[in-house]
Amino acid sequence: KAGVTQTPRYLIKTRGQQVTLSCSPISGHRSVSWYQQTPGQGLQFLFEYFSETQRNKGNFPGRFSGRQFSNSRSEMNVSTLELGDSALYLCASSLDRGFNEKLFFGSGTQLSVL
Amino acid sequence: DQQVKQNSPSLSVQEGRISILNCDYTNSMFDYFLWYKKYPAEGPTFLISISSIKDKNEDGRFTVFLNKSAKHLSLHIVPSQPGDSAVYFCAASAVKGGSEKLVFGKGMKLTVNP
Repeated sequence: KAGVTQTPRYLIKTRGQQVTLSCSPISGHRSVSWYQQTPGQGLQFLFEYFSETQRNKGNFPGRFSGRQFSNSRSEMNVSTLELGDSALYLCASSLDRGFNEKLFFGSGTQLSVL
Repeated sequence: DQQVKQNSPSLSVQEGRISILNCDYTNSMFDYFLWYKKYPAEGPTFLISISSIKDKNEDGRFTVFLNKSAKHLSLHIVPSQPGDSAVYFCAASAVKGGSEKLVFGKGMKLTVNP
């Protein structure tokens, strides 16, 4: 069974640009969540989608948005990029939406904002 | 407000000895706790979990202890192996009023020396 796939692996953008990251969950998994990892803050929750609906949202500005498609694939968008958005963005999938579910993470997209 | 704290950023141990990774939490609503391990350039992988109704859970070389009164959990790795060298994240989840949350600590880098 294929794991969680995130594309692209690396991205370099400049301030003010926007970016879209993609995540394909494990087949059969309906929940997809996104996390931002930075050296100083660890893993911070962005949002979670289940059956195309955003069910939970972290404390990030509205520049961060996402969506989930009917095949459970998810995209995350960051508009008007800032230097502080440089981070590893991780996507995780699980069978159901309970946070007690084991999460399966992708390898992440490393975003650098110059 | 860091609700899940891993106060030691790093730990170095000798192969064959015990590794003890600590985690403290502040939110008494947390009722499920998980540990994830992360190697460089990979996403975190689930290691072990424990429900708040238990005080210990064991899986091979890995044991997690939960002290609810102290709001403290620890991960014991015995014996430690060089392949255990990774960043370990503690996470806690809560279901409160229909709103779920999963909060990660900042991570702790474990180095096991041969």
